[in-house]
Amino acid sequence: GAGVSQSPSNKVTEKGKDVELRCDPISGHTALYWYRQSLGQGLEFLIYFQGNSAPDKSGLPSDRFSAERTGGSVSTLTIQRTQQEDSAVYLCASSLRGADNEQFFGPGTRLTVL
Amino acid sequence: RKEVEQDPGPFNVPEGATVAFNCTYSNSASQSFFWYRQDCRKEPKLLMSVYSSGNEDGRFTAQLNRASQYISLLIRDSKLSDSATYLCVSHRGNTPLVFGKGTRLSVIA
Repeated sequence: GAGVSQSPSNKVTEKGKDVELRCDPISGHTALYWYRQSLGQGLEFLIYFQGNSAPDKSGLPSDRFSAERTGGSVSTLTIQRTQQEDSAVYLCASSLRGADNEQFFGPGTRLTVL
Repeated sequence: RKEVEQDPGPFNVPEGATVAFNCTYSNSASQSFFWYRQDCRKEPKLLMSVYSSGNEDGRFTAQLNRASQYISLLIRDSKLSDSATYLCVSHRGNTPLVFGKGTRLSVIA
């Protein structure tokens, strides 16, 4: 079946602009995660949605970052007033149930802030 | 101190060699552990879960030592296709997975 998809695959923006990144999880997966990965660095957790529970936003680096998940499916990560240090690959993952289930990752969105 | 720590490598080994990676975790409440594999410029994929009794999947063996709080991954008879970054992952409760920064492996012909 279809895996996790993300769009766009690449995004180049100017400092100060807002960007929206989209994630379509695997159908039926109740948990959805956003991570970012800078060049040569590990995965940095951003936010975790599990079913109808309030999301775990503990990883969001600043209030410029927000995410929502509509209808328990598609998720959008929004970065307002982008900064150069926001440049990274943003990865979305989904799992059938909770965080200890296998996470299936999308191909990521490579964000470059000029 | 990082919750999950790994030697970043790179480990450069010839084809056919046996290579082992260790990973340490700092939170004794961690319950589940995994190894993910990430190829260059690709997304991570689950390689295997790590069970207390140890587990083996073909050429790969994962072990957990709770007393010393470390996890290991052993790769036997290395193949060129094993070249990747191996991410050690821990989990507890209903919290997100914690990923290590990864250990880079290059298998050389």
